Formats: sequence, C-alpha cells, structure tokens
Amino acid sequence: AQRVTQPEKLLSVFKGAPVELKCNYSYSGSPELFWYVQYSRQRLQLLLRHISRESIKGFTADLNKGETSFHLKKPFAQEEDSAMYYCALYGGAGGTSYGKLTFGQGTILTVHP
Amino acid sequence: DTEVTQTPKHLVMGMTNKKSLKCEQHMGHRAMYWYKQKAKKPPELMFVYSYEKLSINESVPSRFSPECPNSSLLNLHLHALQPEDSALYLCASGEGQGTYEQYFGPGTRLTVT
Repeated sequence: AQRVTQPEKLLSVFKGAPVELKCNYSYSGSPELFWYVQYSRQRLQLLLRHISRESIKGFTADLNKGETSFHLKKPFAQEEDSAMYYCALYGGAGGTSYGKLTFGQGTILTVHP
Repeated sequence: DTEVTQTPKHLVMGMTNKKSLKCEQHMGHRAMYWYKQKAKKPPELMFVYSYEKLSINESVPSRFSPECPNSSLLNLHLHALQPEDSALYLCASGEGQGTYEQYFGPGTRLTVT
C-alpha cells in the first residue's frame, strides 16, 4: 500500500520568512514524488518532481529515502505563494498500482504581508 | 496545445437526469484519469485509461460510467446521481510510463439536486 502524510493542515508565515511544508510517504518500492499546488480558483498544477531536482518559483524539495520524506522548502516566502499544496506519490507501473497518484491531505499555506 | 480542457465548467442536474462530462488533451499523452475532489480535500482517483483501455476502476458506483472514444478524449457519463456526488470532477492526462506526472484540467463543478 502507498500512503502520503502531510502533518500540517494549515501553515502561516510572514512574507520573507522561510517556509517548509512537510511530506512523509510510505511505499515499499522506489517512489516517484511530486508537489502539486492549487491557487485559489485555479487548476491543480505540478510544482516539482523529485526526479528532476529543480527549483521552481524558489521552491525546492529533496527526497530523503532514509526518513521517507519529501519536504518542500522556500527560503523567502512571498504573498503569492499562498495556496493549497499537495504532496503526491506515484507507485510505479505494473499491477494494480499502474497510473495511480496518491495525494496527501494537503497543507494550506498562508503568507501574511 | 499544452492544456487539458474540460466541459462544462458547471453542471446542475437532478437525480433522475443523464448528463456527460467531457475532457480533451492534445499532448499525445497515453493515460487519462478521472478524479473527484471535495472542498479542501485531495483529489480521489476514480478511473484510469491507458491506451484507451480502462486499466483502473477504484470501485466507483455504476452510476458513473467512463468512456474513452480516442486517445485525446475522455467522457464521464452520469446517471441517477445522489446529492453526495456533488463535487469538482477533475480530468488529468499523463504519459503513464517513463515519466509519471499528471496534468490536470480545470474541473467541472457538479451539483446534484
């Protein structure tokens, strides 16, 4: 079974402060992990994928297999970062897991001016 | 065209009506998905189509009937829905193998009266 846990339902920070959104996963194989973001009244969109190790909009996320974590970080939060953030795990091809993306419960980030 | 489109944007239907939701993508993706999303909750997978064949049905009630007429189109036929089926219905597409990220449409806001 695959599971994604985002322990914080709500996270508030002030503009310019660092922000870290936590994500832990449970999966027996080699996971593919993603962060998705949903801004108010906009579609769910891909923010980061662990495999490409990129920085998007100042956000980075590192896969830590030992701690089974994929936390999302940004050193200086901006007001426009306020949104719902979902961590998601793809369980790999083959068998009943084919094509299945499992989402965490989401963290609502609010960045205050 | 690098977006997933969905029609209609909003739909209100009675419990005895029959209606359909439509989804289209022209990115050449081989997998297409239907998700159901309740307010402030993560998307819940309903169906996965891979190469136009249904590969995953997440035990969805038969009042929801998916159809994939070709590699670019995905329909969700609705019949005899219940008020608790009111939700945002999201379509997504992805390569399905090799790279596993999914791209989401804006959704259809469904209200069952």
